[in-house]
Amino acid sequence: DAGVTQSPTHLIKTRGQQVTLRCSPKSGHDTVSWYQQALGQGPQFIFQYYEEEERQRGNFPDRFSGHQFPNYSSELNVNALLLGDSALYLCASSLAAGVTNEKLFFGSGTQLSVL
Amino acid sequence: GDSVTQMEGPVTLSEEAFLTINCTYTATGYPSLFWYVQYPGEGLQLLLKATKADDKGSNKGFEATYRKETTSFHLEKGSVQVSDSAVYFCALIKGNTPLVFGKGTRLSVIA
Repeated sequence: DAGVTQSPTHLIKTRGQQVTLRCSPKSGHDTVSWYQQALGQGPQFIFQYYEEEERQRGNFPDRFSGHQFPNYSSELNVNALLLGDSALYLCASSLAAGVTNEKLFFGSGTQLSVL
Repeated sequence: GDSVTQMEGPVTLSEEAFLTINCTYTATGYPSLFWYVQYPGEGLQLLLKATKADDKGSNKGFEATYRKETTSFHLEKGSVQVSDSAVYFCALIKGNTPLVFGKGTRLSVIA
C-alpha cells in the first residue's frame, strides 16, 4: 500500500517564476492538505482540498493556489516566486474532511529552492 | 491564536540517556495534543497523541502526559537509541482546525 507520494523531491527555481508541486494521497484517502516548512521552523498550514474544492486556508497569499483532481491527487501552485518561498512543502492526506484533521499521513515533501 | 512552544535544540545525548523535550501550548478550549517525528529524508510521522487532560500518550518507549494545569505535553523516553535521532514536533488541534506545530527540536543520539 503506497503512502503519500510527492513529486518532484527537489526543485530549483528563480525569483518570479512559477512552480507546480504534485501529491498523490494514500490509497483510500480523499482529502489533501498542504504545509510549508521553512528551515528551522515547524510546518505551517497552507490549505486543504476535499471534493475538488478548497475547504480551509491558512495565512498565505493568493500566489499560493491549488487543485484537486477526481482521483484525489492534488497540485500546489506558487506564482511569482520569492526568495522566502524556499522551503520544504509537505502534503498530507486523510479521510473525510470536516470530521477530523487528526489522522494525517505525510509525504516526504518537495524541497523548493528559489534563487 | 493557538500556538505551541518547544524547547530549542539541538539536543545531543549519549545512547541510553534519559530524554525530555519540553512543550507548552496556548489555546482556548480543549485541544488535542500530538508529537510528530521527522527522520532524515522522510515525512512527518505521528508518534503519539493525547486528547484530554491527564491522558498519557505512548509509543515506541516515548511518553507524554497532557497537563492542562501547566498547559504542557512534555515528551520523555527512558533510554534513547541512535535510531531515535530525528526532529520532534509538538502540535495541537482543536475540532476541525488544521494542525498547529511547534518549531521542532532536533535530537542527536551518539553511540
